[in-house]
Amino acid sequence: GALVYQYPRRTICKSGTSMRMECQAVGFQATSVAWYRQSPQKTFELIALSTVNSAIKYEQNFTQEKFPISHPNLSFSSMTVLNAYLEDRGLYLCGARESGTEVFFGKGTRLTVV
Amino acid sequence: AQSVTQPDARVTVSEGASLQLRCKYSYSGTPYLFWYVQYPRQGLQLLLKYYSGDPVVQGVNGFEAEFIKSNSSFHLRKASVHWSDSAVYFCAVSARNTGNYKYVFGAGTRLKVIA
Repeated sequence: GALVYQYPRRTICKSGTSMRMECQAVGFQATSVAWYRQSPQKTFELIALSTVNSAIKYEQNFTQEKFPISHPNLSFSSMTVLNAYLEDRGLYLCGARESGTEVFFGKGTRLTVV
Repeated sequence: AQSVTQPDARVTVSEGASLQLRCKYSYSGTPYLFWYVQYPRQGLQLLLKYYSGDPVVQGVNGFEAEFIKSNSSFHLRKASVHWSDSAVYFCAVSARNTGNYKYVFGAGTRLKVIA
C-alpha cells in the first residue's frame, strides 16, 4: 500500500534556530507533495505545493525564504523552518500523491519552539 | 477558490447515540470531498471520500457521509457512537481541475463522547 513517513515525529528547537523535517513516500511515486501546518487549536493551512520538475508554489503568508522545500525525487521531500519562533510551533503535515486525486498523509512532525 | 465551513466547533453526544457533524463547502464546480479524523497528538486519518457516483459514501468504523450538491453539504453521520470516537474531525475539499489538488480544510469539530 501507499504510505508516507515523516521524521522526526517530534522535535524541539531553540527560538531563532532552524529545523529540517523530512517526508518519505513508500509504495508509490510522490509526483506532488504538499506541506501543511496545524498551529495549536487550529486547522491545517497549506504552506506550499511541490511538483517534481515544476516550481514550488507557496501560499500567501508563507515564503521560500522562511520555509525552503526540497523535492529532489519521486520518493522524498524535505522542508526547513528557518529562524523558528513561537508562532511557528505546531504540527507539520506532509501529503503526497502520485497521479490520482487521493493524497496520502504522514503522521506529521510536531515542532516545539522554546 | 474553494472553502469549507464546519459550523460546530464542539459536539458532545452520549455513547450509543447517533451523530451528525456538519460540513458545507464553497466551490464553483463539483468537488472532491473528504472527512478526516485526528486523534489526540496524532496526524490525519482518512475516514471516507467522495469522488463521484452514489452520494452516500461509506467509511471506516461505521461512518458515512452524504454529498448533497444542492445544499453544498457533506455531513458526516454515524448511527451509534463509541467512546473511542472522541477526536477532532476535519472536512476537506479539493478542486477537480487537473494539477490543483490542494486540500482546503475546515476548522474542525471536536467530538466528545460521554458515558
